[in-house]
Amino acid sequence: GESVGLHLPTLSVQEGDNSIINCAYSNSASDYFIWYKQESGKGPQFIIDIRSNMDKRQGQRVTVLLNKTVKHLSLQIAATQPGDSAVYFCAENYAGNNRKLIWGLGTSLAVNP
Amino acid sequence: EAQVTQNPRYLITVTGKKLTVTCSQNMNHEYMSWYRQDPGLGLRQIYYSMNVEVTDKGDVPEGYKVSRKEKRNFPLILESPSPNQTSLYFCASSFMGTGDEAFFGQGTRLTVV
Repeated sequence: GESVGLHLPTLSVQEGDNSIINCAYSNSASDYFIWYKQESGKGPQFIIDIRSNMDKRQGQRVTVLLNKTVKHLSLQIAATQPGDSAVYFCAENYAGNNRKLIWGLGTSLAVNP
Repeated sequence: EAQVTQNPRYLITVTGKKLTVTCSQNMNHEYMSWYRQDPGLGLRQIYYSMNVEVTDKGDVPEGYKVSRKEKRNFPLILESPSPNQTSLYFCASSFMGTGDEAFFGQGTRLTVV
């Protein structure tokens, strides 16, 4: 999950296992949620998104689950590969008067061969 | 190829010497923004632009300026850089705004001594 501080939470998995990265979002008025992947030395890259009228969305090897009751978002990666090693960020689009994107602090995923 | 291009990738400068980081996108996106990324603080938005000649402050605008004279370009200007502006900077663009997938540049690592 997300946390404040200098050290990112780290998830370590074996190659081939499934990974689940969690994110607690902050605002009930948020209507759109996105996961980004950031590899070392690169900019964040879009993985998958979900709108608030859905609770699940699937992509290629990735699934995003949205639980609005507890304001929780998760990213599931199937059959995790070494190339999935990166920092993963969730972001929520706050749809209030001052529409803005609120970013989580990131989770580092390490895939062990 | 659809992309956001930032220049330079790396820059070391001295306190007080004005600098500009350029950003250009080739996707005809309306919305562009600048972020800085610092350890433990995640991505923080500096400025954003919803269209040509329309710019607004993000969460950390102090010490920065931007302009949007053309749709494709969104330069970030530091009139008098200070050491606390040492950071990793990202430019991003999206078709419509915060409720849409963002494309990020490769980043500019700025060091102010």
